[in-house]
This record gives sequence, structure tokens and C-alpha cells, in this order.
Amino acid sequence: AQRVTQPEKLLSVFKGAPVELKCNYSYSGSPELFWYVQYSRQRLQLLLRHISRESIKGFTADLNKGETSFHLKKPFAQEEDSAMYYCAPPPSDAGNMLTFGGGTRLMVKP
Amino acid sequence: IAGITQAPTSQILAAGRRMTLRCTQDMRHNAMYWYRQDLGLGLRLIHYSNTAGTTGKGEVPDGYSVSRANTDDFPLTLASAVPSQTSVYFCASSDSGLGAGELFFGEGSRLTVL
Repeated sequence: AQRVTQPEKLLSVFKGAPVELKCNYSYSGSPELFWYVQYSRQRLQLLLRHISRESIKGFTADLNKGETSFHLKKPFAQEEDSAMYYCAPPPSDAGNMLTFGGGTRLMVKP
Repeated sequence: IAGITQAPTSQILAAGRRMTLRCTQDMRHNAMYWYRQDLGLGLRLIHYSNTAGTTGKGEVPDGYSVSRANTDDFPLTLASAVPSQTSVYFCASSDSGLGAGELFFGEGSRLTVL
């Protein structure tokens, strides 16, 4: 199974500070990874995917094959960024389960 | 556009009772999934279905069953609920069971088993 790990369960930063949510993966082949976000009282939704190489809400994520990482970064955190963030591989065929990372709760303090 | 609809939104259930969580999507996605979300454990896959008529077990399938009679519906059944099944359950779908594909989630069903 494709595996991703998010080592931090909680990350607390002050507004305006840089933020980095860590995600490490451990499977072979060409990884395709996603970041999902869950704001309070809302459903999970896609934040960004690495193949698009885009920036969403100021967040970026770069795939580092050497470090097998896909960390989510934002240079200046905003209070509205407070949410639960999940790193995940793409859905795949039977036998490879879509396994999310454990999630990181980001709290941005004023 | 509704996307994915889950029902009920919230339910309190006595242990030993049977419960079915409903999930319906109107996007004609082939693949559907059921997850449970627990504090400190994140999202864990219970069961999945790559296409109508097929299902598969995820990480934590024990105590749960699913069916996929058609493309749109993917109900999750707890045959005899236990307190450890207290959780928030999310249904999701994707337009591809292979390769890259965005997951679309329902709003969740909060289940409390007493």
C-alpha cells in the first residue's frame, strides 16, 4: 500500500509567521500526492495536487524525491488557514489502498 | 449540483443495533470510499468500490459491510454496532480508480454508539 506520514498532529503558529506542514511518503514508483483541507464545520476538500504545481490560497507544495517528502508551505499564515490538513496519495486500484496521513491540525493565533 | 450526499448527518445508536449510513453521488464517479475520522488517528479507509458491483476492504473493515448495486449509491452497514464505532464517517468518490484523481467528500455522518 502507498503510505504517507504526517509527523505532526498539531502545529501552532502566529499570524504572519511561515508555516510548513510535513508529509513524507514511502512507496516506489512515481508518486502523485495531494493535500486536502478540512475547515471547521466543512467537508474535506482538495487544496492542491503536486502535478499541477500551482499555489492555492498562498500554499505551495514541492515534491522532493530525495527526501521522499511533499511538505505544504505558506510564507505568511493567516487566521483563516486554521484547519485540519491531510496529505494523501491518489486513489488507486484494488490492492493499493488510499491511505491518508494522520493529519495535522494547524492553529494560527492572532 | 449536490455532489455527494450523506445521511443521516448525526445519529445516536444503542450498542447491538444495526445501522446503515447512506451515501449518494450524482457525479457518475466510478470509485467510492468510506472513511472514519477519529481524533489522533486521522482518516482511515473502511471499504472501497472501484466500480458498480465490486467492493474491497480497506484498513479497518471489521464490523462494517458495504454494497454497490449501482454507480450512485454506496451504503455502509454496521450489523451490530459497538461503542468503538463511535466516529465521524465520510463518504467520498473519485472519477478514476486508477492513477491521479481528486476525491470529493460528503459532509460526514457523526455516529455515537452507546
